[in-house]
Amino acid sequence: DSGVTQTPKHLITATGQRVTLRCSPRSGDLSVYWYQQSLDQGLQFLIQYYNGEERAKGNILERFSAQQFPDLHSELNLSSLELGDSALYFCASTTEGNNEQFFGPGTRLTVL
Amino acid sequence: QQQVKQSPQSLIVQKGGISIINCAYENTAFDYFPWYQQFPGKGPALLIAIRPDVSEKKEGRFTISFNKSAKQFSLHIMDSQPGDSATYFCAEPPLPNNNAGNMLTFGGGTRLMVKP
Repeated sequence: DSGVTQTPKHLITATGQRVTLRCSPRSGDLSVYWYQQSLDQGLQFLIQYYNGEERAKGNILERFSAQQFPDLHSELNLSSLELGDSALYFCASTTEGNNEQFFGPGTRLTVL
Repeated sequence: QQQVKQSPQSLIVQKGGISIINCAYENTAFDYFPWYQQFPGKGPALLIAIRPDVSEKKEGRFTISFNKSAKQFSLHIMDSQPGDSATYFCAEPPLPNNNAGNMLTFGGGTRLMVKP
C-alpha cells in the first residue's frame, strides 16, 4: 500500500458527460501528479500541483482540469468526455526533495 | 521534448533465466534514472533507481547498468521468477534546473512474462 488513495476505483459514463476523480496524497506529501495510462499511449503525465498551486503541465487536454485543495487532496475534472478518454488515471505524490513518486491504485474510466 | 525509448515491448523468459530491458535517452543532463514495476490492477511502484555517477547498482536480483556513451540504461532481472511477471517502465525526470516540476517521462513499458 503506497499510502496514496484514489476514488472511485471504477467509473463508467457516457460520451459528453463530466466526471471528477479524487486523490489523497501520502501524509505530508505536498506534490500531487496526475497521469493517464492508455493501451496505445502508455503512461502520460497530465499535471502537477504543489501545495495548492499548479507546478507543471503536460499533455493535458483543455477539457481536463485539476485543482489541489488546502487539505492537499486533489481532483481531476474531465468534461465533454469522448470514447478516447477511456483509460486508467493515476495520481502520485512525492515528498519535497525526494524523487520517488508513490502511485495510487488508479481510477479506471470507461466512456461508452 | 524528452524521448524515452524502451525495448522490448514484451518479453517471455523461463523461470531462472535472465530478463533484460533497455532504455535509450537523449539528454545527458539527467541526474536520476528510475525503473518502475506495475502489476495488473495496481499503480506503478519504484523498483530501483540509479544516478549517472555510478555505472551499476544492484538490489537483490535486480541490477541497473548505465552506459553513458551509448546513452542507455538497462534493467537486468537475474533468476527470473513467475512473481516477476509485470510491466516494467523506465523513466526520466525533468532536466535539472528546469522549473518544470518533478514529473516523470515514462518509456513505453515492457510486459514481462516469466514461465514456470
